[in-house]
Amino acid sequence: QVQLVESGGGVVQPGRSLRLSCAASGFTFSSYGMHWVRQAPGKGLEWVAVIWYDGSNKYYADSVKGRFTISRDNSKNALYLQMNSLRDEDTAVYYCARDNVGGAGYFFDYWGQGTLVTVSS
Amino acid sequence: QSALTQPASVSGSPGQSITISCTGTSSDVGGYNYVSWYQQHPGKAPKLMIYDVSNRPSGVSDRFSGSKSGNTASLTISGLQAEDEADYYCSSYTGSSTPVVFGGGTKLTVL
Repeated sequence: QVQLVESGGGVVQPGRSLRLSCAASGFTFSSYGMHWVRQAPGKGLEWVAVIWYDGSNKYYADSVKGRFTISRDNSKNALYLQMNSLRDEDTAVYYCARDNVGGAGYFFDYWGQGTLVTVSS
Repeated sequence: QSALTQPASVSGSPGQSITISCTGTSSDVGGYNYVSWYQQHPGKAPKLMIYDVSNRPSGVSDRFSGSKSGNTASLTISGLQAEDEADYYCSSYTGSSTPVVFGGGTKLTVL
């Protein structure tokens, strides 16, 4: 069965960096686009970034553009989110989610359990 | 890209039907038949309930249905059950370089 397992969250000071990982299994990872979606405490869902199935296209929310980088390693069935220059407002649970196709963003059919990132001094 | 507009809360009694609206623009909801709905219980990951406006994934109860008219999409839950109490989020494809936009979420209370 499809499984997405995030890791790498924790407490980090403002301005510092953190790298999240998402381990995928149960499907042909290299055939699907992958997204990061976050949820601040008590708030709604916010789309963060997408990477196409082959890594050819990457798109970001304006709130993270220039600070976050999405990447993937299809040989390791792994998705990553490098987060630099972290701000208080980046505090959230970060979910990886599978796109239903190559990366267009029509909908997310599977989600991981999330990893909490807390930005605090 | 502004968030889609959902009511903050809705409520209903067991057995009743409720509808949650999701209003966007012609650049998202109104422009594409790629509206999806997600259910989220406290402390859990979101779960896909409806995709492409009105399609249900395998395993989702047929009590859940979706529709769209113009720039507004709707999720209807019929025969409300206690386990339906959760937060519900709509999402739409936008066709832009920020291809996904979510609604603010609606808290459903089953009285």
